[in-house]
Amino acid sequence: KQEVTQIPAALSVPEGENLVLNCSFTDSAIYNLQWFRQDPGKGLTSLLLIQSSQREQTSGRLNASLDKSSGRSTLYIAASQPGDSATYLCAVRERGGSQGNLIFGKGTKLSVKP
Amino acid sequence: EPEVTQTPSHQVTQMGQEVILRCVPISNHLYFYWYRQILGQKVEFLVSFYNNEISEKSEIFDDQFSVERPDGSNFTLKIRSTKLEDSAMYFCASGYWGNTEAFFGQGTRLTVV
Repeated sequence: KQEVTQIPAALSVPEGENLVLNCSFTDSAIYNLQWFRQDPGKGLTSLLLIQSSQREQTSGRLNASLDKSSGRSTLYIAASQPGDSATYLCAVRERGGSQGNLIFGKGTKLSVKP
Repeated sequence: EPEVTQTPSHQVTQMGQEVILRCVPISNHLYFYWYRQILGQKVEFLVSFYNNEISEKSEIFDDQFSVERPDGSNFTLKIRSTKLEDSAMYFCASGYWGNTEAFFGQGTRLTVV
């Protein structure tokens, strides 16, 4: 059974720092991986989608990498800002069988201090 | 920018009552989903819906739950005989295809008292 783990559970950094959030998954047979942002009491905002054949994806200050063979993905945030404070979730979509069934990690709660 | 919209944003119901959560997916999307997140826990898959029928459901999605696409735009989740443990944030999501990027709504917070 696929398990998704995110470390650390919480992270506090000063504004301007570059940071890396980690996501690991137990079964490498994934179709793609998606990173989300969740603000308190709010919905999930899609940040980046990486297909299993890709190594990385970039959007603005965000860069996500994927190493499928080792079951890892990272989300790099450059020049962090207080507005980046939120919980970041990663989710994998497995190959075969399910279509669209995302399996989520518990998230990393990021706090960027001014 | 197109978005998934959910109503209501917050629903309080008494134990044993039925609730209907509503969603309007992005208009050209073909796959629709419901997920839930109990406070402090992971987001969990409930059900996926394609071509007017359930394509997959989790073990959570038992006979207490049902989904419907009553018209060309709405997608609903019905929960019968609500229990205290049904209290959670319920998210609707949609995607153009089953393995493409999923877009989530803002959620409905269901509180069962």
